[in-house]
Amino acid sequence: DQQVKQNSPSLSVQEGRISILNCDYTNSMFDYFLWYKKYPAEGPTFLISISSIKDKNEDGRFTVFLNKSAKHLSLHIVPSQPGDSAVYFCAAEGGYQKVTFGTGTKLQVIP
Amino acid sequence: EADIYQTPRYLVIGTGKKITLECSQTMGHDKMYWYQQDPGMELHLIHYSYGVNSTEKGDLSSESTVSRIRTEHFPLTLESARPSHTSQYLCASSEFEGPGYGYTFGSGTRLTVV
Repeated sequence: DQQVKQNSPSLSVQEGRISILNCDYTNSMFDYFLWYKKYPAEGPTFLISISSIKDKNEDGRFTVFLNKSAKHLSLHIVPSQPGDSAVYFCAAEGGYQKVTFGTGTKLQVIP
Repeated sequence: EADIYQTPRYLVIGTGKKITLECSQTMGHDKMYWYQQDPGMELHLIHYSYGVNSTEKGDLSSESTVSRIRTEHFPLTLESARPSHTSQYLCASSEFEGPGYGYTFGSGTRLTVV
């Protein structure tokens, strides 16, 4: 039973435009949500997180939005840059740092 | 430069061989984790440790074992490799006590058992 779902395996966006990556979850007990970025042949890199008591967190070009009623979160990247091309994993944390990951969305930013 | 190191990066090995995947971190983190990831799939937690002499099994059943004799070292061992063990293995560590701070991952070991 997959508790964290990323239904779009891939996304292509023009450089300078907004990238929106989506994630859905089923477990209402998750208390933190995180986004990681992964380049080929490297491990994931932590990007940004949001507490379940907030609905928005911003860090530079990256903003995460949380809609608890819909059990949905999204990562917005504005403006998108070619260096943002990577696989993005959504993750949810519940209990003592037990993290559940989604399957990832491959973002391609076209110059 | 990565502060968490995994060796080897790639390994092709025959069925039945014993292998140890190495993971070391220089950050003094108490919490360390092993994840397994198949292509296009989510990362699955297979082992974790909250400090020296502490090891626990994760959510995904695994035939591997781990040890934590030193803070900086968290090796994973497969006593008898099988083709079903073919996967990518990612080691991670965490400094913080609370949630939401994220992990530092190594670059992974891609294991192929033939």
